[in-house]
Amino acid sequence: EVQLLESGGGFVQPGGSLRLSCTTSGFTFRNYPMSWVRRAPGKGLEWVSSVNGVGGGGVTYHADSVKGRFTISRDDSKDTLYLQMNSLRVEDTAVYHCVKAGLFVEDKFEYWGQGALVTVSS
Amino acid sequence: DVVMTQTPLSSPVTLGQPASISCRSSQSLLHSDGRTYLSWLQQRPGQPPRLLIYQISKRFSGVPDRFSGSGAGTDFTLKISRVEAEDVGVYYCMQATHFPAITFGQGTRLEIK
Repeated sequence: EVQLLESGGGFVQPGGSLRLSCTTSGFTFRNYPMSWVRRAPGKGLEWVSSVNGVGGGGVTYHADSVKGRFTISRDDSKDTLYLQMNSLRVEDTAVYHCVKAGLFVEDKFEYWGQGALVTVSS
Repeated sequence: DVVMTQTPLSSPVTLGQPASISCRSSQSLLHSDGRTYLSWLQQRPGQPPRLLIYQISKRFSGVPDRFSGSGAGTDFTLKISRVEAEDVGVYYCMQATHFPAITFGQGTRLEIK
């Protein structure tokens, strides 16, 4: 059974930093692309970042809204996905979901974690 | 970025009756590899999103066959043949054809009359 468990969410002031983690099990982590998707309060889903699996060279991608501030990474030895979030803004307040993709990012967003709440406020 | 527009935004449905949600994209979702990366997701209250349909019409593992997807190019539809109480939630269409600019529709809230 595929399991994705996010951690590291919390309350932070504007300009601050947080690092989200997503521990996984139930599949061969290194082989699959992974992504982060967020949902702000009262809004819809927004893609944040993706990282290829070992077959895709671990290439990373970020939405324009977070480019230069957020960094997605993975540690295949720990089956864990990360999202380093710097220079946080009020509009980054959201529940952040870790997502396992299919064979490649475009294929399908197969499994979603429960999410980690990030609140950015002064 | 590709804009995904869903209609309706809210859909009250009687139990046992069909429901239909439309999704229109601002650009064709036909990828150069010949596939169309259009998915449908369901988010029940208090739950994370769940994949229902991918590549327009392929049901994901464990999804009941009362859910079906259709369409091509820029116009797509999710149909529920007979709505059950557990189907209440918000439904999103999502395109990944134009990755890395992945985009979602605004969401359609399905509720029981």
